[in-house]
Amino acid sequence: AQKVTQAQTEISVVEKEDVTLDCVYETRDTTYYLFWYKQPPSGELVFLIRRNSFDEQNEISGRYSWNFQKSTSSFNFTITASQVVDSAVYFCALNAEWETSGSRLTFGEGTQLTVNP
Amino acid sequence: DAGVIQSPRHEVTEMGQEVTLRCKPISGHDYLFWYRQTMMRGLELLIYFNNNVPIDDSGMPEDRFSAKMPNASFSTLKIQPSEPRDSAVYFCASSSIDGGRNTIYFGEGSWLTVV
Repeated sequence: AQKVTQAQTEISVVEKEDVTLDCVYETRDTTYYLFWYKQPPSGELVFLIRRNSFDEQNEISGRYSWNFQKSTSSFNFTITASQVVDSAVYFCALNAEWETSGSRLTFGEGTQLTVNP
Repeated sequence: DAGVIQSPRHEVTEMGQEVTLRCKPISGHDYLFWYRQTMMRGLELLIYFNNNVPIDDSGMPEDRFSAKMPNASFSTLKIQPSEPRDSAVYFCASSSIDGGRNTIYFGEGSWLTVV
């Protein structure tokens, strides 16, 4: 069974603050993929990043960075110098057994991030 | 490139009516998924297809729900008869195992309200 936990239901910060969204996952598979999606107020789900289980390199994309640690089964997401436009619900998701069962994304509950001006 | 296209974006219907949601996946993708998002249950997978064939429909809530994929570029999710508890956002998504690029891309969602 797969499980994704986003313990932070809501986070509120002031613009320009850094913020980290936590994600902890559970899977018995050795090969798996982790994702982050953003859902802005308009409702669509926007893909942000994919990580496979064999690549523990952290990644930075502009103000976004991701910290993948297999030892703690975590895949945390940090926004540096947050902006109002970052306000959204952010979902962490896990996919395992890709080759045998296709993609069955298991989503966390989501973290509502509000960035205040 | 065009993303996953869903229609309608918004639908309000009366209980008992038939609802059909439509999806055009990204060209070249061989997996298609239907997800439902509600406040109570979050994002849940309803069904997915591979090469137009339904692989797993265990998430379909009941017989009132059916999904088809007659060809590689079109899928429908039908609810008949609809009930107020079906009110949700329905997302279609597609992906492809191609060089490991198995990223799942979502459409903008179909917001369904059953009154």
